[in-house]
Amino acid sequence: RKEVEQDPGPFNVPEGATVAFNCTYSNSASQSFFWYRQDCRKEPKLLMSVYSSGNEDGRFTAQLNRASQYISLLIRDSKLSDSATYLCVVNMKNAGNMLTFGGGTRLMVKP
Amino acid sequence: DAMVIQNPRYQVTQFGKPVTLSCSQTLNHNVMYWYQQKSSQAPKLLFHYYDKDFNNEADTPDNFQSRRPNTSFCFLDIRSPGLGDAAMYLCATSQTSSQFFGPGTRLTVL
Repeated sequence: RKEVEQDPGPFNVPEGATVAFNCTYSNSASQSFFWYRQDCRKEPKLLMSVYSSGNEDGRFTAQLNRASQYISLLIRDSKLSDSATYLCVVNMKNAGNMLTFGGGTRLMVKP
Repeated sequence: DAMVIQNPRYQVTQFGKPVTLSCSQTLNHNVMYWYQQKSSQAPKLLFHYYDKDFNNEADTPDNFQSRRPNTSFCFLDIRSPGLGDAAMYLCATSQTSSQFFGPGTRLTVL
């Protein structure tokens, strides 16, 4: 079983749609959680950290369920520019600054 | 602007011909990482430096070496590139739990 699992997609949605991505992680000692965005042939960029209480940044909402070892990302009012691969990333306790990456979920927003 | 810089952005080499990729940072972060990323896959950690302390991942081939002469610079040396080493090589830095990535070097092996 992979340490961080994501549905690879692609998710094809129309502009304006709401789309949700899910991610599960296997190590209950995981401590920090992030969503990174990666455009085609570019580097991953930090989209947002994920906090236990849930957090929102504009059209993006991240949720964490520690009991179920589950992380989600909700994108409201999708834009064409949201088309990218979204990487679920986990930092495990006692792993220092080491990150474990999910395989990514590809989103394609169509006009 | 503080940033992570990688050179070159594109590198073409021949099978077996050594190649060096470079990374520099102006963030003054103490940890630097090298990742390999192949198409449609997650970045795979090759090694990292915590200050001058080098940490190799168990499954990183001996063909891959690294140097960090100072806080700002880190190099990835591929001694004898094979066709399977064609990939995007990403350098990243961190000070806390999140990491900042450079733009990557795309390596082609002919």
